[in-house]
Amino acid sequence: LAKTTQPVSMDSYEGQEVNITCSHNNIATNDYITWYQQFPSQGPRFIIQGYKTKVTNEVASLFIPADRKSSTLSLPRVSLSDTAVYYCLVGESGGSYIPTFGRGTSLIVHP
Amino acid sequence: NAGVTQTPKFRILKIGQSMTLQCTQDMNHNYMYWYRQDPGMGLKLIYYSVGAGITDKGEVPNGYNVSRSTTEDFPLRLELAAPSQTSVYFCASSYSTDSNYGYTFGSGTRLTVV
Repeated sequence: LAKTTQPVSMDSYEGQEVNITCSHNNIATNDYITWYQQFPSQGPRFIIQGYKTKVTNEVASLFIPADRKSSTLSLPRVSLSDTAVYYCLVGESGGSYIPTFGRGTSLIVHP
Repeated sequence: NAGVTQTPKFRILKIGQSMTLQCTQDMNHNYMYWYRQDPGMGLKLIYYSVGAGITDKGEVPNGYNVSRSTTEDFPLRLELAAPSQTSVYFCASSYSTDSNYGYTFGSGTRLTVV
């Protein structure tokens, strides 16, 4: 499994754009990149997934450069309710993949 | 659409007691998982199941047991509770182990062993 590295914590203010970068230098050809969000006292929830270039949904955007050795989760105009822990996971499509969650990035949004 | 339901939400156990954490999903997912999360840490996999009657150990299985008699239910059994098992436990399910598919988590059980 590809190992991921992401910042332990980040701070932001309401209305700002937040970018969280995840490094995955040994990502394999078949691996997909998935981000989860965990609010306090809740289980993680899936927010976005991608393989290359850019993916956008109603919650976030995911940018993946051509070499795929990193990815950036972008949260536009954050609000206080975006305060959460964000996890970056890398796993193989079509394989026997059991998700492992590291410490993630704790994002705190200030008023 | 309930998703993954865990009971109880909170529990205090005395050292040496036993209990079962319940997990039920109504999405007809074959794959189910149990994780524990200690304060400020990520999630560690305890056990997982790829279908009824099939279970396997994860990263931290010691002190726990599981069973999977139906597709819907995946209970986690704690025998002889210890303070080291104080944690928040999350159950999750997925359609497959293909990373293309998202994983649905329950809201967790907060367990304290005193």
